Amino acid sequence: KAGVTQTPRYLIKTRGQQVTLSCSPISGHRSVSWYQQTPGQGLQFLFEYFSETQRNKGNFPGRFSGRQFSNSRSEMNVSTLELGDSALYLCASSPDYTEAFFGQGTRLTVV
Amino acid sequence: ILNVEQSPQSLHVQEGDSTNFTCSFPSSNFYALHWYRWETAKSPEALFVMTLNGDEKKKGRISATLNTKEGYSYLYIKGSQPEDSATYLCAFIVSSGSARQLTFGSGTQLTVLP
Repeated sequence: KAGVTQTPRYLIKTRGQQVTLSCSPISGHRSVSWYQQTPGQGLQFLFEYFSETQRNKGNFPGRFSGRQFSNSRSEMNVSTLELGDSALYLCASSPDYTEAFFGQGTRLTVV
Repeated sequence: ILNVEQSPQSLHVQEGDSTNFTCSFPSSNFYALHWYRWETAKSPEALFVMTLNGDEKKKGRISATLNTKEGYSYLYIKGSQPEDSATYLCAFIVSSGSARQLTFGSGTQLTVLP
């Protein structure tokens, strides 16, 4: 069974640009969550999608948005990038809340 | 905003030592508590999923206990090995209607010295 796949693995962007990250969940998993990890911080919850609907949202500005497609693949978009957005972005899929399966993350660097 | 606290933040132990760390969480609307191990350059992997007060789970040398009434969980590692070096994350799930959300602690970074 294929795991959670995140693309790209690494990304360098300039302040003010926008970026889209992609997450393909494990087949059959309908819940996809996104997390941000910055140096010295734990995993901060961004949002969760279930069957194409945003079910939960963390405390992040509106520049962070996401969506989920009918095949459960999810994208996360960050507009008007700031230096502080440099982080590891992790996606996790779950069939329900019994366990989350994580991708390897996208390392975003904003310069 | 739910507050999940883990202590200590980091820990260095000698190979063979036993160790434990704590995860504290709000005791209301409890749904589940997860423990994850996050090794450098890898993805977090689930160790335990705990749902019932008094749960004790074990996987090899690692075990965990859960007290939902007082809002804490302990993770124990017996006879630590260098390969146990990782960040150990706990995640608390609260249930509110049909919405559930995993809230992670900041983790305990364990280094096992040979």
